Amino acid sequence: DAGVTQSPTHLIKTRGQQVTLRCSPKSGHDTVSWYQQALGQGPQFIFQYYEEEERQRGNFPDRFSGHQFPNYSSELNVNALLLGDSALYLCASSLAVDGSGYEQYFGPGTRLTVT
Amino acid sequence: AQSVTQLGSHVSVSEGALVLLRCNYSSSVPPYLFWYVQYPNQGLQLLLKYTSAATLVKGINGFEAEFKKSETSFHLTKPSAHMSDAAEYFCAVSDTFGDDKIIFGKGTRLHILP
Repeated sequence: DAGVTQSPTHLIKTRGQQVTLRCSPKSGHDTVSWYQQALGQGPQFIFQYYEEEERQRGNFPDRFSGHQFPNYSSELNVNALLLGDSALYLCASSLAVDGSGYEQYFGPGTRLTVT
Repeated sequence: AQSVTQLGSHVSVSEGALVLLRCNYSSSVPPYLFWYVQYPNQGLQLLLKYTSAATLVKGINGFEAEFKKSETSFHLTKPSAHMSDAAEYFCAVSDTFGDDKIIFGKGTRLHILP
């Protein structure tokens, strides 16, 4: 059973460019959350997608946008990249309805470097 | 708003010694609490979770944590440290179990001394 997968693993972009990161959730999961982890910090919640809609959003500017597809996979898009966007981007998947209570399973992350 | 504070950005213990990583939380509602571990260049792995059942929670790899409401604490312990425990540990809180965003602490780097 494949866990959460993310692509690419590493990415280098220039300031002002746009980037798209991808995430495939764990089999059977229908909810995807995205987190940004700056160097030496804990992950910060960006947003969460369920049923192809953004369900909740953290304190991130509109330059950060996302999408969820019918197969529950998700994309994170960042426009007009800034140096401060350099971070590890983590995707987590979960099941919205689970009698035992659900937990978020994290992928290995995409390391984004903005130069 | 919820928050977590992890005391000590770096903790060093000798192999075989007790591991104690401290976490205090702030929440306006009964919280759900988590401990995650992150090995170098990897994602996060859930060690254990508190969901208002038993206050002493046992997790994987011999770790456990005790929820103390009076102290608003959720410290992580392991009786005997192993070299493979060297990693970054994150305490986290959520308003509802998985249905809400997870708020992470800044992390504690655990070093194991031979």
